[in-house]
Amino acid sequence: NAGVTQTPKFQVLKTGQSMTLQCAQDMNHNSMYWYRQDPGMGLRLIYYSASEGTTDKGEVPNGYNVSRLNKREFSLRLESAAPSQTSVYFCASKPIATQETQYFGPGTRLLVL
Amino acid sequence: AQKVTQAQTEISVVEKEDVTLDCVYETRDTTYYLFWYKQPPSGELVFLIRRNSFDEQNEISGRYSWNFQKSTSSFNFTITASQVVDSAVYFCALRGSFSGAGSYQLTFGKGTKLSVIP
Repeated sequence: NAGVTQTPKFQVLKTGQSMTLQCAQDMNHNSMYWYRQDPGMGLRLIYYSASEGTTDKGEVPNGYNVSRLNKREFSLRLESAAPSQTSVYFCASKPIATQETQYFGPGTRLLVL
Repeated sequence: AQKVTQAQTEISVVEKEDVTLDCVYETRDTTYYLFWYKQPPSGELVFLIRRNSFDEQNEISGRYSWNFQKSTSSFNFTITASQVVDSAVYFCALRGSFSGAGSYQLTFGKGTKLSVIP
C-alpha cells in the first residue's frame, strides 16, 4: 500500500496562474480532506469529502475548488493563484470507523510569486 | 466551536532531559477524540496517539507518555530521556463526535517545535 500520495511535491506559480493538486489513496477510505499549513498556524481545513460524491467547505475554502473524482482521488484546484496561497498542502484520508485517525500524505509545497 | 491551544511555541532541551508538551482543548461535545501528531524536519505528519473522551487512562509507549485529564481539559505529552531524533514539531488535535455532516474534521493546535540539543 502506498497510503496517501500527493503530486506534485513542489510547485512554483505566478500570481494568476491556475493549477490542480492531486491526491490519491489506496486504503479504500471513505473520507478525504485538504489542509493547508502555514508557519505558526497549525493545519487548517480547506475542503473535505465525507464520502464519494460529496464535498463541503472547511475553515478556509476561499480561492479553492475541489473534485472527488472517485473513491480514491480528491483534487484541489487553485483557479487564480495568489501569494496568500503560498503554503504547504496536505491531503488526508480516513476510514469509515468513527474512532479512526486521518492518514496524511507527504504534502505539496506551493510557492506563489 | 472547538479549539486547541498549545501555548508552548518552541522548546529546547538537552538530550536525555525529560520534556512535557502541553495541550489544552475546548469542546462542547461530550464524546470527542484527541490526537497527537509528529512532524519531523522532513515534513510528513506522523500519527502518535488517539484518545477518546471516555477513556482517561494514561498511556505509555516506550519513552512517550500521555496524560489525559478531562477536569482540566488537557492532554499533555511527555518524552522521557529525549533524543535528537525527537526534534520535530508536535501537533495536538481534537475531533468532536459530530463535526459537520459526518466529516470528522480535525481541529489542530498551532504546534510546538521541540529541539533536542546533543
